[in-house]
Amino acid sequence: AQSVTQLDSQVPVFEEAPVELRCNYSSSVSVYLFWYVQYPNQGLQLLLKYLSGSTLVKGINGFEAEFNKSQTSFHLRKPSVHISDTAEYFCAVTANNAGNMLTFGGGTRLMVKP
Amino acid sequence: NAGVTQTPKFQVLKTGQSMTLQCAQDMNHNSMYWYRQDPGMGLRLIYYSASEGTTDKGEVPNGYNVSRLNKREFSLRLESAAPSQTSVYFCASSDFAGGLFDEQFFGPGTRLTVL
Repeated sequence: AQSVTQLDSQVPVFEEAPVELRCNYSSSVSVYLFWYVQYPNQGLQLLLKYLSGSTLVKGINGFEAEFNKSQTSFHLRKPSVHISDTAEYFCAVTANNAGNMLTFGGGTRLMVKP
Repeated sequence: NAGVTQTPKFQVLKTGQSMTLQCAQDMNHNSMYWYRQDPGMGLRLIYYSASEGTTDKGEVPNGYNVSRLNKREFSLRLESAAPSQTSVYFCASSDFAGGLFDEQFFGPGTRLTVL
């Protein structure tokens, strides 16, 4: 079975500052990793995904994440955030033995202040 | 394309009442999923359907039943609602067909309160 830990429940940051949202996972088999964003009162939208290949993955809205197998991490980064990035962010994992069933972390609320 | 649609958007029930949450997708996806979202716990899988005609339990199936009515529709039923089922429910679908991983597409959610 897989598990996901998002180390920060809330991250406050000023507009135009860089941000990193941390995600660590555990699994005994190879994993596939996703970051989703949820804007207030909406469903989840995919930001980016790692299935294979390059460990640096670029997504929408200027976000990127790096898959680090040795540290079992998939941290999300953005060099300069905007007010519109205020949302909740979820890291999720699946694996070969999980039938595309996603296991989600608890979420990180990003609060961008002017 | 509407993507994944869910009805209703909001619902208030009394303890012991029953209701069915409806979900439909127009992307011709094989797999469909029901999640619940509770503060600080992320999303937890209730039931999923890998293909039309099959359903399986997820992490938190107790108190729920599902029906995969056809390829498009996947409903979630609460037979006797309890306050612990107060949550936001999300339906999702994906094109996973045995070995090719891809993203799940989510509906807008149903906010359910059980009094």
